[in-house]
Amino acid sequence: AQRVTQPEKLLSVFKGAPVELKCNYSYSGSPELFWYVQYSRQRLQLLLRHISRESIKGFTADLNKGETSFHLKKPFAQEEDSAMYYCALTKNTDKLIFGTGTRLQVFP
Amino acid sequence: DAGITQSPRHKVTETGTPVTLRCHQTENHRYMYWYRQDPGHGLRLIHYSYGVKDTDKGEVSDGYSVSRSKTEDFLLTLESATSSQTSVYFCAISGEGAYGYTFGSGTRLTVV
Repeated sequence: AQRVTQPEKLLSVFKGAPVELKCNYSYSGSPELFWYVQYSRQRLQLLLRHISRESIKGFTADLNKGETSFHLKKPFAQEEDSAMYYCALTKNTDKLIFGTGTRLQVFP
Repeated sequence: DAGITQSPRHKVTETGTPVTLRCHQTENHRYMYWYRQDPGHGLRLIHYSYGVKDTDKGEVSDGYSVSRSKTEDFLLTLESATSSQTSVYFCAISGEGAYGYTFGSGTRLTVV
């Protein structure tokens, strides 16, 4: 069965430090992967998806099929990056399967 | 506005009572979804719909039913609420399946 694993419940860093939020998946085919973000008291919103290969708010993510990973990275964390981050996968393009989420705390 | 509203925003109900949550959209999107969000579990899909009267189960559908009699409304019903259904429920809509989710603001349900 397809599964998305986010091993860290909480990641705390200081402003200006690099950030890497881990996401691993299990799926036998060719998945499409996404990162969603939920800022405090706001709706979940799409941050980026691997097929577009965009950089949003300084975040990037590369799909590594060999390691079945899609880690989210940012070279210099900002306080406004503090939020809940969810990795998600689709296998048949009509629905998303989400991971358990990682809370990022960026301290000043 | 995001074109999607959930009601109620908060609800407290007693164990054993039926509860219906409503998701309403103004985007005329084909797909609608219900997820629940719980600490340590992330978001889990309950049910989804790919058109009027076309629905399918997600990974945690037991104890829940849905109905979609018109494009704009997707109702989630807890037949007999239990404490394990205390959660935050999110609705999402999409015109292109997994690629274009827009989430609602959520409904916080407490079953006592």
